[in-house]
Amino acid sequence: AQSVAQPEDQVNVAEGNPLTVKCTYSVSGNPYLFWYVQYPNRGLQFLLKYITGDNLVKGSYGFEAEFNKSQTSFHLKKPSALVSDSALYFCAVRDASGGSYIPTFGRGTSLIVHP
Amino acid sequence: NAGVTQTPKFRVLKTGQSMTLLCAQDMNHEYMYWYRQDPGMGLRLIHYSVGEGTTAKGEVPDGYNVSRLKKQNFLLGLESAAPSQTSVYFCASSRLAGEQFFGPGTRLTVL
Repeated sequence: AQSVAQPEDQVNVAEGNPLTVKCTYSVSGNPYLFWYVQYPNRGLQFLLKYITGDNLVKGSYGFEAEFNKSQTSFHLKKPSALVSDSALYFCAVRDASGGSYIPTFGRGTSLIVHP
Repeated sequence: NAGVTQTPKFRVLKTGQSMTLLCAQDMNHEYMYWYRQDPGMGLRLIHYSVGEGTTAKGEVPDGYNVSRLKKQNFLLGLESAAPSQTSVYFCASSRLAGEQFFGPGTRLTVL
């Protein structure tokens, strides 16, 4: 079985400050990990993914995420937040060891960046 | 490249009516998915398909049916709509283990 936890329903940060959106996961085998962003009244957009290789993954809009196998975490980060980053963020995991390859999503974290 | 498109964008139904939501993708993806999104519930998988002619149940399949007669299309049907099916519906597609591409969503209200 696979699962994802996003422990914070909401994250508040001031513009210009660094931001972190947390994600922890559980899979039987190795994970494929993904971050998506959803702006109001829009579909989800892919931000970045970890499949294999470098633990630090860089993605769209200046976001990055660090894969930490020992802590089973894949936190999303950005060095300097923008008001336009305010959105709903979803973490997702797939088990790379096989099966149906259907991802499991977290419940989402609302990021609010204050001017 | 249109990506993933969904038809219609909005719909209001009365209880007991039926309707079909259409999803189309032009990326030649094998996998397609239907999700519903409700406040505080995140995304919940309704049905999915791993290839043309195949479908499978997701987390919340009751009250819905799907068909994938062509690789590029994935249809979601509601045979007898209920107020509990009021939601925003998203379709997505992907390659085998790659990221998903989502459509813009269909906002459905069942009165």
